[in-house]
Amino acid sequence: QVQLVESGGGVVQPGRSLRLSCAASGFIFSSYGMHWARQAPGKGLEWVAVISYDGSNKYYADSVKDRFTISRDISKNTLYLQMNSLRAEDTAVYYCARDLGDYGALSDWGQGTLVTVSS
Amino acid sequence: QSALTQPASVSGSPEQSITISCTGTSSDVGSYKFVSWYQQHPGKAPKLIIYDVINRPSGVSSRFSGSKSGNTASLTISGLQAEDEADYYCSSYTSIGLYVFGTGTKVTVL
Repeated sequence: QVQLVESGGGVVQPGRSLRLSCAASGFIFSSYGMHWARQAPGKGLEWVAVISYDGSNKYYADSVKDRFTISRDISKNTLYLQMNSLRAEDTAVYYCARDLGDYGALSDWGQGTLVTVSS
Repeated sequence: QSALTQPASVSGSPEQSITISCTGTSSDVGSYKFVSWYQQHPGKAPKLIIYDVINRPSGVSSRFSGSKSGNTASLTISGLQAEDEADYYCSSYTSIGLYVFGTGTKVTVL
């Protein structure tokens, strides 16, 4: 069965960096687009970024553009989110998710990893 | 990009039907069939329940159905059950290749 396991969350000071990982199994990782989404405590979902199945296309929400970078390592079946210049408003549970097709039907989600940006 | 607009809360009695609206613009909901709906129970990850406006993933109850008219998509839950009490989010692909979620709706079963 499809399994997505995020890691790398924690407490980080404003302005610092953090890299999240998402280990994928149970499907052909190189065949699917992958997303990151986040949810601030007590708030709604916010889409963060997407990467195409082959890594050639990447798109970002305005709120993270130029600060966050999505990438994937096919050899390790792992999705990444490099987060730089972190702000308090980036505090959230970060989820990785698999796209069912090509247009944002997120069919499988990880359990999430909490990132807290605080001094 | 602005979040799609959903009612903050909707409630209904068991066995009733409820509908949740999701209003966007001609740059997202109005232009694409790529509207999805998610159910999220407290402390859990979201679960896909509708994709491409009307389709249900395997294993999702037929009590959930989706539709769209113009810039507004809708999710209907028929035969409301206690286990349907959760938060629901819509999402859509947008004209600039991005994605956007709705503001979320809390469903309460009375």
